[in-house]
Amino acid sequence: NAGVTQTPKFRILKIGQSMTLQCAQDMNHNYMYWYRQDPGMGLKLIYYSVGAGITDKGEVPNGYNVSRSTTEDFPLRLELAAPSQTSVYFCASSYSTLTHKNEQFFGPGTRLTVL
Amino acid sequence: DQQVKQNSPSLSVQEGRISILNCDYTNSMFDYFLWYKKYPAEGPTFLISISSIKDKNEDGRFTVFLNKSAKHLSLHIVPSQPGDSAVYFCAASAGIRNTGKLIFGQGTTLQVKP
Repeated sequence: NAGVTQTPKFRILKIGQSMTLQCAQDMNHNYMYWYRQDPGMGLKLIYYSVGAGITDKGEVPNGYNVSRSTTEDFPLRLELAAPSQTSVYFCASSYSTLTHKNEQFFGPGTRLTVL
Repeated sequence: DQQVKQNSPSLSVQEGRISILNCDYTNSMFDYFLWYKKYPAEGPTFLISISSIKDKNEDGRFTVFLNKSAKHLSLHIVPSQPGDSAVYFCAASAGIRNTGKLIFGQGTTLQVKP
C-alpha cells in the first residue's frame, strides 16, 4: 500500500492564483482530513470528510474548499491565494472511529508559498 | 484559544536517559489523547494513545501518563535514542466518535545527544 499520497510536494503561487492540492489514500479509509501547519505551530484542521459526498469545516476553513467524490480522493482547493496561506499542508485519513482508535495516517505534506 | 498546549518548545537529553514531554489541555470533554512524532519533511506518524478511562499506557520504550484532574498528560521515552530526535505533537479528541477530529498542540522538538 502507498498509504496517503499528496501532490505536489512544493508549489509557489502568486497572490490571487488558484490551485488544487491532491490527496489520495489506498487504505479504504472512510475518514479524511486536511490540516495546515504554520512555523512553530501545531496542525490546524481545515476541512474533513466522513465519507464520499460528505464534508465539513474544521477550525480554519476560510479561503479553502474541498470535495469528496470518491473514497480514495480528497482534493483541497485554494481560490485567490493569499500570503496568509503560506504553510505546509497535510492530508490524513483514518478508519471509522467507532472503535475509538482515532489514529490518523498522514501524507508527506505539500509546502506552499504564496508571494 | 489554545485547547491543547505544549509549553516546552524544545528538550535536549543524553542518549540512554529518560525524555519527558508534557502536554496540558483545557477542554474537559476530551476523552482520547494521542502522541505523534514528526521528522523533517515528513508527515506525522502515530506513536501512542490513551483513553480517558486509563491513567497509563505503555508500548515498548514509550509510556503515556494521563492526569485528568490536572488536565495533564506526559510522554516518557526510556531509554532515549538518537533516532528519537524529532518533533512530538500531543493531540486530543473530544469524544466526537463520528468524525475523529483532533486538536493538536504546538509541538516539542526533542534532541537526543549521543
